[in-house]
Amino acid sequence: EVQLLESGGGLVQPGGSLRLSCAGSGFTFNTYAMSWVRQAPGKGLEWVSGIGGSGNSRYYADSVKGRFTISRDNSKSTLYLQMNSLRAEDTALYYCAKGPGFSVTTHFDFWGQGTLVTVSS
Amino acid sequence: QSALTQPPSASGSPGQSVTISCTGASSDVGDYNYVSWYQHHPGKAPKLMIYEVSKRPSGVPDRFSGSKSGNTASLTVSGLQAEDEADYYCSSYAGSNNLVFGGGTKLTVL
Repeated sequence: EVQLLESGGGLVQPGGSLRLSCAGSGFTFNTYAMSWVRQAPGKGLEWVSGIGGSGNSRYYADSVKGRFTISRDNSKSTLYLQMNSLRAEDTALYYCAKGPGFSVTTHFDFWGQGTLVTVSS
Repeated sequence: QSALTQPPSASGSPGQSVTISCTGASSDVGDYNYVSWYQHHPGKAPKLMIYEVSKRPSGVPDRFSGSKSGNTASLTVSGLQAEDEADYYCSSYAGSNNLVFGGGTKLTVL
């Protein structure tokens, strides 16, 4: 059974940093692209960032480019999102999501339950 | 990329059919057959219901179907059941490894 478990969320001041983690199990982690998707309070879903199975290819939404960094440690079956220069508008529930293949992600076949990030002074 | 446009709400009685639309642009929905739909019960992980416009993952009832015409995709839920009440989101591949989502539709089973 595929499981994705996010952690690392919390309350942080504007301009601060936070690192999210997502532990994957039940599948061969290094053969699938992974992504982060977020949902701000009362809003819809927003794709944030994606990474290929090897970790060599990384992609970002314009809203986070230059501030967030996605990475993965395949030896630990774990996905990360380093978030710097956080803004109030980054407040959201952050989901880890698995792509259907190694590189290009056209949809997400499994999701975690999310970790909440609140940016406030 | 701009978000895809979905109606904020939809409803139907048990046993009826309901269709949710998802309108994008020629650069996303209109250009790729990579539209997907997700069911989301608040507090739970979103669940993939339809991918590549009309394909159903294993375990998804055939009451759920998807289609696309031009820049607009649709999700139809037939034989509505109480457990279908949830938020539904569409998504489309938009090129260069980017994906765009709709704003979500709250489906109410009356």
